[in-house]
Amino acid sequence: QQQVKQSPQSLIVQKGGISIINCAYENTAFDYFPWYQQFPGKGPALLIAIRPDVSEKKEGRFTISFNKSAKQFSLHIMDSQPGDSATYFCAASRWAAGNKLTFGGGTRVLVKP
Amino acid sequence: DVKVTQSSRYLVKRTGEKVFLECVQDMDHENMFWYRQDPGLGLRLIYFSYDVKMKEKGDIPEGYSVSREKKERFSLILESASTNQTSMYLCASTDRSTIYFGEGSWLTVV
Repeated sequence: QQQVKQSPQSLIVQKGGISIINCAYENTAFDYFPWYQQFPGKGPALLIAIRPDVSEKKEGRFTISFNKSAKQFSLHIMDSQPGDSATYFCAASRWAAGNKLTFGGGTRVLVKP
Repeated sequence: DVKVTQSSRYLVKRTGEKVFLECVQDMDHENMFWYRQDPGLGLRLIYFSYDVKMKEKGDIPEGYSVSREKKERFSLILESASTNQTSMYLCASTDRSTIYFGEGSWLTVV
């Protein structure tokens, strides 16, 4: 039973294009929604995170959009670059629960030059 | 910089062997985690610890145990390795604002 569902599983985008990854969650108690980026052979690293009191957060070319009523959130990578090629994971947690994250299944993004 | 170090990056073990995966963090974090990463399934929580000698089961604890004798060290133990435990194992620690991951331990059970 996967509490956080992520799509698509893989994505190919041209350099300069927009990459969009979507996640849906079930547990309404979740109150922290981070995105992690993982390069081959490395552990995941925090990319950007959002709390449900805002609907959007932007850091550079990365934007999280959050829809609390639909229990969905998404990552947009603007002006995608070959260096963005990586696996991206969405996650969710209850802040009070010691930050135990529940992860989505991951999206492998390939940015073609 | 926070460092989470997993000492064994690549291991090959035989079915039935006892396997120890070690993890050390250098930031005095109270909470530490062990996750398992499999394609299409993302990361799944095996165990976590919120203090020395304290542990709690995650979503998939069967076949695993953990040990936390010192604050900086969190070990994952496979009592009797099986082929379905072939996976990448990720250790993490948190200061309650950000979770930091190690680089992973690739375990193959033959």
